[in-house]
Order: sequence, then C-alpha cells, then structure tokens
Amino acid sequence: EPEVTQTPSHQVTQMGQEVILRCVPISNHLYFYWYRQILGQKVEFLVSFYNNEISEKSEIFDDQFSVERPDGSNFTLKIRSTKLEDSAMYFCASSGGDRNQPQHFGDGTRLSIL
Amino acid sequence: GQQVMQIPQYQHVQEGEDFTTYCNSSTTLSNIQWYKQRPGGHPVFLIQLVKSGEVKKQKRLTFQFGEAKKNSSLHITATQTTDVGTYFCAGITGGFKTIFGAGTRLFVKA
Repeated sequence: EPEVTQTPSHQVTQMGQEVILRCVPISNHLYFYWYRQILGQKVEFLVSFYNNEISEKSEIFDDQFSVERPDGSNFTLKIRSTKLEDSAMYFCASSGGDRNQPQHFGDGTRLSIL
Repeated sequence: GQQVMQIPQYQHVQEGEDFTTYCNSSTTLSNIQWYKQRPGGHPVFLIQLVKSGEVKKQKRLTFQFGEAKKNSSLHITATQTTDVGTYFCAGITGGFKTIFGAGTRLFVKA
C-alpha cells in the first residue's frame, strides 16, 4: 500500500537555526498537509496545500513557517529561527482527488530544539 | 476560532467492556473523520461521516454523526487489548482546514 514518507525521523537543532522537514506524499494525491503534535497533546493543523499554493493555514503558521513543493514529489516545511516551543512531532499528510478524502499520515519527524 | 471538543480525555476499561468517546464542534461541519493513533505512531484513518444523522459500523466500532452535524461519537463494543490507543475526531468545514479534537486515550486492562 502506498505510504507517505517523512525524513528525517528525528531532527535535533540549536535554537535560532533553520530546519527543513521533508515529505514525499502518495504519488497521485493532490492535497497536502502539515500538522504538529506536541508530546502528549492533540494534533494541530498547520497548513494545507493544493495546486501549488497554500489553501489554508492556522494561527500557528506565522511568518516563521513556509512550505514548498520544489518538484513533483517532495513537500517541505521550513521553520526559520527555531524556538524551544517548536519542539514537537511534525506530521505530513496527503489526500486524493477530493479534499474530503481520508488523509494518509506519514510517520512524522520528531523535532527537538536545544 | 472553530473548536472541536472531545471527551473524555482518558478512559480505563476492563477488556470486554464498552467504550464511547464524544466530539462536539462549535460550528456546523461538512464532515467528520475519525482517526486512531497508537502510542508512538501516527494517526490512522478509521472512517468519515458526511450525512446528517449518519451511522456507520466497522465490526465492533459504531460511528454516529449528529443531526445538526455538530457532534459525533465513536462506540466500541467489547473492547480488546488491540483497541488501545488514542482516538481523535477531526472536523472539516467547507474549507481545507481539519480541526482535531484533543483525543481520548483508551487503556484496556486484560
């Protein structure tokens, strides 16, 4: 069964540095998402992406964050000038030809800011 | 902003007992999805409800969507140890934003 893959599985970064989290969505999917889950807490929506542009973003997704689909397969989340509170699990998800289709999640990247 | 409340936060049951988790949205939803997350894992899609008053079953799991499309429930009959995990509802409005509830963590004692 096709999977969403995320790399790296764990990223440790010094506060103030930039990080790029990478995702390869399922190949025929059209809708892409990033979520954040602080340890022990709920899954929080960050951003959705469709047709090469952001379709919706949450209050969390401020100027510190950006997303990009640099080629036909990758979908990245960049976090500039990281803060301690950015430490969390970041999940990428994708869904098919309809935005109401089930979302398939990757295994996540655990981001630790020191 | 839009909120999806989910209760209870935790539920401890003896194997064989039933379990129910409830979700309530502050706004009318176009549809609602349910996900299960095992400890250390990622959310896995269980089901989607679209129609007002809809009820769907998956083996021992029964999902309901309220008439006003603002609330939903997941009921598990005769829990098993494999049911352990956190169950999230996720509300979708007409846009592209998915709002997850806080989740209900289910513990099953054998």
